[in-house]
Amino acid sequence: QSALTQPASVSGSPGQSITISCTGTSSDVGSYKFVSWYQHHPGKAPKLMIYEVTKRPSGVSNRFSGSKSGNTASLIISGLQAEDEADYYCNSFTSTNTFVFGTGTKVTVL
Amino acid sequence: EVQLLESGGGLVQPGGSLRLSCAASGFSFSSYALSWVRQTPGMGLEWVSAITGRGEATYYADSVKGRFTVARDSSKNTLYLQMDSLRADDTAVYYCAKEISGSGSYYGSLDSWGQGALVTVSS
Repeated sequence: QSALTQPASVSGSPGQSITISCTGTSSDVGSYKFVSWYQHHPGKAPKLMIYEVTKRPSGVSNRFSGSKSGNTASLIISGLQAEDEADYYCNSFTSTNTFVFGTGTKVTVL
Repeated sequence: EVQLLESGGGLVQPGGSLRLSCAASGFSFSSYALSWVRQTPGMGLEWVSAITGRGEATYYADSVKGRFTVARDSSKNTLYLQMDSLRADDTAVYYCAKEISGSGSYYGSLDSWGQGALVTVSS
């Protein structure tokens, strides 16, 4: 199972909105609602930001939202803040009853 | 408060074995699926394995299938990962993580994570 494709880096200024894409295939992202997004600061445990494409766990800022169209899922961060600077990974259920992470995106706040 | 604490990491030679443990607390252990995820040095996250709440079903990434075995002991509130025939590319920080849903099924929505255990495979 190949990793889902994400842009290596995305940047934005404070207050701006950015979108991180996650492209898979009809065997994963395109066929299932079990797509999640994780924020990972180096040296710390990953944090669940979005699950089942659009759901936000309790305690996660509503500046984070998710969507999906075809084989591509997206994480949108609005009102970008310095604390949002981190690595972000998508994850999807697959047709072989396994899960696959994306390649990861480094978000930089300018 | 949910807590997950991994242990058992260390240095092992290629072809060797190691067993990771993850002690869980703060939630109804048998109600939640659990998983193992690893991060290799300088690389991204890789899903490794998962087990349903009551342990009736297990799942593995192709890269570890046949070499790793996931198990859980509800009497000890502990998750395990038995790693055999270890290879250099298994070197990583291994995280245990808990599913957000209390249905016992695995959906890949991991809302609580441990701090990780470092496994180094080298001669």
